[in-house]
Amino acid sequence: GAVVSQHPSRVICKSGTSVKIECRSLDFQATTMFWYRQFPKKSLMLMATSNEGSKATYEQGVEKDKFLINHASLTLSTLTVTSAHPEDSSFYICSASDQEGKLFFGSGTQLSVL
Amino acid sequence: SQQGEEDPQALSIQEGENATMNCSYKTSINNLQWYRQNSGRGLVHLILIRSNEREKHSGRLRVTLDTSKKSSSLLITASRAADTASYFCATDGTYNFNKFYFGSGTKLNVKP
Repeated sequence: GAVVSQHPSRVICKSGTSVKIECRSLDFQATTMFWYRQFPKKSLMLMATSNEGSKATYEQGVEKDKFLINHASLTLSTLTVTSAHPEDSSFYICSASDQEGKLFFGSGTQLSVL
Repeated sequence: SQQGEEDPQALSIQEGENATMNCSYKTSINNLQWYRQNSGRGLVHLILIRSNEREKHSGRLRVTLDTSKKSSSLLITASRAADTASYFCATDGTYNFNKFYFGSGTKLNVKP
């Protein structure tokens, strides 16, 4: 299957700082990537759809100014958590779909905001 | 969850037994996918089943889909301790092709 690489795997930051998470499709071009958030022992919540060359589409209730998404190329999407606060601490996972529609996921980023 | 529910929420079985997990969803779909997640890790794709398919197999995995009941089931036969993980179903929508929402998941524990 397709390979999606996500970095960093873990980040600890101080409250008020911004954190950037990268998601790369290594062996295929992804015009669309998806960002999910997962709380401990909970399911994945779709945050936004990242579209190459255009603005991201955010799910209801997700603050677009808090979670900035940039899809600069067909293989790279970034999620920046701006002015992070402890309530932003979570597991963030990106995914990309292949031509069949199968979703392939990065390994996730555990964000801890102190 | 954003799309549907899974039951049971947790399942504990002995190695060698079969495990069945169910997923119900809310809206019409194009595709339904099953994923496995080991604790604190990313998700591994298991099976994709399309809305015009009723059953699919992959190794020890069997997935069924009943669109009239808006439900799907995942059967793992002859379970192994290594199957211990959380299992999620994900569905897209008729008008949201390729945009998947996840069920609440089933935490499977296979005891050796």
